[in-house]
Amino acid sequence: NAGVTQTPKFQVLKTGQSMTLQCAQDMNHEYMSWYRQDPGMGLRLIHYSVGAGITDQGEVPNGYNVSRSTTEDFPLRLLSAAPSQTSVYFCASSSALGGPGNQPQHFGDGTRLSIL
Amino acid sequence: AQSVAQPEDQVNVAEGNPLTVKCTYSVSGNPYLFWYVQYPNRGLQFLLKYITGDNLVKGSYGFEAEFNKSQTSFHLKKPSALVSDSALYFCAVRDHMRDMRFGAGTRLTVKP
Repeated sequence: NAGVTQTPKFQVLKTGQSMTLQCAQDMNHEYMSWYRQDPGMGLRLIHYSVGAGITDQGEVPNGYNVSRSTTEDFPLRLLSAAPSQTSVYFCASSSALGGPGNQPQHFGDGTRLSIL
Repeated sequence: AQSVAQPEDQVNVAEGNPLTVKCTYSVSGNPYLFWYVQYPNRGLQFLLKYITGDNLVKGSYGFEAEFNKSQTSFHLKKPSALVSDSALYFCAVRDHMRDMRFGAGTRLTVKP
């Protein structure tokens, strides 16, 4: 079972460059989310989606864009990379069964991003 | 807005001893509470959740958590720790909205 797959696993960018972090899930989950993990701060929500064509901002959305054209894919775009965006990025998905918030999230193994 | 706090950055325990990882939360409505574990260079893995019902919730790998509404706490426990339990543990709260708020994490070290 693939679950949630994130690519690439590692990336180094220069300030001002743009890139897209890919996330795909094969569990037919309605909900998908992007988080960043920084030391001592836990995970912070960047953007989330409750279904294809629907996205919304989380706690730290600035500098990031998302789209959800299919149930399976939820890419995260960095528009103009900044050193403050150096972090580990996690994508997660969950079922909508039982209503919003009821089901646990399944996480990918992360993308480690360094901005020079 | 909901929030969660993990007051201990680090918990050390000897193998075979009971362990507790603490979590307190703040929500405006009924809380959906979760515990996740993270091993090095991996994503978070679900351990257990409290939605409603019994205050003592049992989860994966022998872990359990006790929901205490009056103290707004959801502490993670295990009767007998294993060296392989050493990892980073996150408490999370999700209210009726869709986003989830995580604590800063507690690093558990179990020594042989």
